[in-house]
Amino acid sequence: GAVVSQHPSWVICKSGTSVKIECRSLDFQATTMFWYRQFPKQSLMLMATSNEGSKATYEQGVEKDKFLINHASLTLSTLTVTSAHPEDSSFYICSAKRDWGKETQYFGPGTRLLVL
Amino acid sequence: KQEVTQIPAALSVPEGENLVLNCSFTDSAIYNLQWFRQDPGKGLTSLLLIQSSQREQTSGRLNASLDKSSGRSTLYIAASQPGDSATYLCASSNQAGTALIFGKGTTLSVSS
Repeated sequence: GAVVSQHPSWVICKSGTSVKIECRSLDFQATTMFWYRQFPKQSLMLMATSNEGSKATYEQGVEKDKFLINHASLTLSTLTVTSAHPEDSSFYICSAKRDWGKETQYFGPGTRLLVL
Repeated sequence: KQEVTQIPAALSVPEGENLVLNCSFTDSAIYNLQWFRQDPGKGLTSLLLIQSSQREQTSGRLNASLDKSSGRSTLYIAASQPGDSATYLCASSNQAGTALIFGKGTTLSVSS
């Protein structure tokens, strides 16, 4: 149990286009999901906290108009990178916290984005 | 603001060795501390989670300890195997339900 999926796993897009990444908790409800970004040989950095039914909370330095987050249901959060540029190329990972039980976050497999 | 540091950044050992990975954090008021494994180009696999009230957790050949007063955690891997080769990340959470703050990881290579 406690599986989190991400789609797509790998995307290449042209500069200026928008890319949507989905994060789903497959077998549990998650009121809260987190979006992280990882640059090569760097650690995961929190981008934003996604809450079902309310606006996301963004970390300092993360542009909310560029990285649109929608937590549409208790099992789905989406991250849309708008007008993507090469510097947005990164590994994006989401995690979901189960609404009950242990305080463990379950991580998705990640989405690798390459902007040409 | 919490900062998490991992030393060393990289470690190479021969198969069969016991080894210790180190993690330190600046704010001792943590809620929990977690160790993850990340294979190249992959997501995270949770290894061990230690609540702030606990001193250690064990799973198979892995043992993680937590010393809040000194701001340190260690991950002990016994009888290392080539399959243990990966990057190991340490992360802390300062409150229930909040995001994790990660260290940069230790990349482990175990040679056969």
